[in-house]
Amino acid sequence: GAVVSQHPSRVICKSGTSVKIECRSLDFQATTMFWYRQFPKKSLMLMATSNEGSKATYEQGVEKDKFLINHASLTLSTLTVTSAHPEDSSFYICSAPGTTKGTYEQYFGPGTRLTVT
Amino acid sequence: KQEVTQIPAALSVPEGENLVLNCSFTDSAIYNLQWFRQDPGKGLTSLLLIQSSQREQTSGRLNASLDKSSGRSTLYIAASQPGDSATYLCAVSGNQAGTALIFGKGTTLSVSS
Repeated sequence: GAVVSQHPSRVICKSGTSVKIECRSLDFQATTMFWYRQFPKKSLMLMATSNEGSKATYEQGVEKDKFLINHASLTLSTLTVTSAHPEDSSFYICSAPGTTKGTYEQYFGPGTRLTVT
Repeated sequence: KQEVTQIPAALSVPEGENLVLNCSFTDSAIYNLQWFRQDPGKGLTSLLLIQSSQREQTSGRLNASLDKSSGRSTLYIAASQPGDSATYLCAVSGNQAGTALIFGKGTTLSVSS
């Protein structure tokens, strides 16, 4: 089956620094990837759609200058949390739609737990 | 704007019971629906995918149904086991292939031995 990886799985950073999270589709190409965040005991909220070769599309209320998304290739999207603050601490998870079998099932990475101190 | 609701929010059952988790969505124009499992502090495990043209999908002790016109899906778990304890999330796509998923808040299931 299709596999999506994320790196790092956990990161702790100091307030004011930037953190980059990578999302890779390992065995398929993805022109579109999605980034979600999940607060403790809450559901997943879509942050943005990452588009290969063009700008990301952000959901209402998500600061595009704070959460920089770059879709560098057909298998890699990155999310950079700039000038991180404790309120950015969350579980970030990416997904990519697989096109095999025509189902467009969303395949999720294992997630990245960000803690900002 | 699509909204996904899951009922109940939490459920506790003894081992061996059959149970049903409910999911409803406000916009029936979806491409597919997925059910996931999430263990505490972990990522998502995909359980079942139902295309908008399908009525149900089965995998082992799990059966998911979809009534797209009424905006409802159910996840049936047969002969529950303690290992089934987790949060179950329902998510629907937009009306086009490959669009993002909108998630419900989940049902947290606890199965006691």
